[in-house]
Amino acid sequence: DAKTTQPPSMDCAEGRAANLPCNHSTISGNEYVYWYRQIHSQGPQYIIHGLKNNETNEMASLIITEDRKSSTLILPHATLRDTAVYYCIVRGAYNTDKLIFGTGTRLQVFP
Amino acid sequence: DTGVSQNPRHKITKRGQNVTFRCDPISEHNRLYWYRQTLGQGPEFLTYFQNEAQLEKSRLLSDRFSAERPKGSFSTLEIQRTEQGDSAMYLCASSLGVQGLDYGYTFGSGTRLTVV
Repeated sequence: DAKTTQPPSMDCAEGRAANLPCNHSTISGNEYVYWYRQIHSQGPQYIIHGLKNNETNEMASLIITEDRKSSTLILPHATLRDTAVYYCIVRGAYNTDKLIFGTGTRLQVFP
Repeated sequence: DTGVSQNPRHKITKRGQNVTFRCDPISEHNRLYWYRQTLGQGPEFLTYFQNEAQLEKSRLLSDRFSAERPKGSFSTLEIQRTEQGDSAMYLCASSLGVQGLDYGYTFGSGTRLTVV
């Protein structure tokens, strides 16, 4: 799987948008970008995924650049409960490849 | 269905003892994954089942580790002759794979193993 690069940590004020970047310059044409998060002492939780178009769901928005070499996960109105480690993962959907996690970005939301 | 269930949540064992963990996936999910996570690291892949067949094993899965998924339902992960380096969170995930398309993983809360 293609590797991803994320900043190790970020801070965000409660109520503000949290923008988490991810670089995936070696992504292949058939590989998706997935985002998961892991709140302390819990298993990772699926957030969103996309191929090349921007995606939005009830949790977040995913913006993928036109060349697909980077993406940004946006939490529009961060709350204290959004404090977690966020993982950006690249993998193909039409195969049995497992999710390969990096070390992620530790997002701290402060009051 | 309440999601992926893992038992026990915590296990403390003495070095050299055997331990077994259980994972109950979401009932309609045909794929099941085991991961291991140590402090400050992301989860590391250990092994993967599609129905009852174990299709892939990581090199991290030494011969002291064995996983089963009888009848394609729940799965067990056994560690024999535990070592202190086995101390970690063991995570189970399941997913629904249809015609090669995977709809994303649902993880359990994990079993935290401490070897003393």
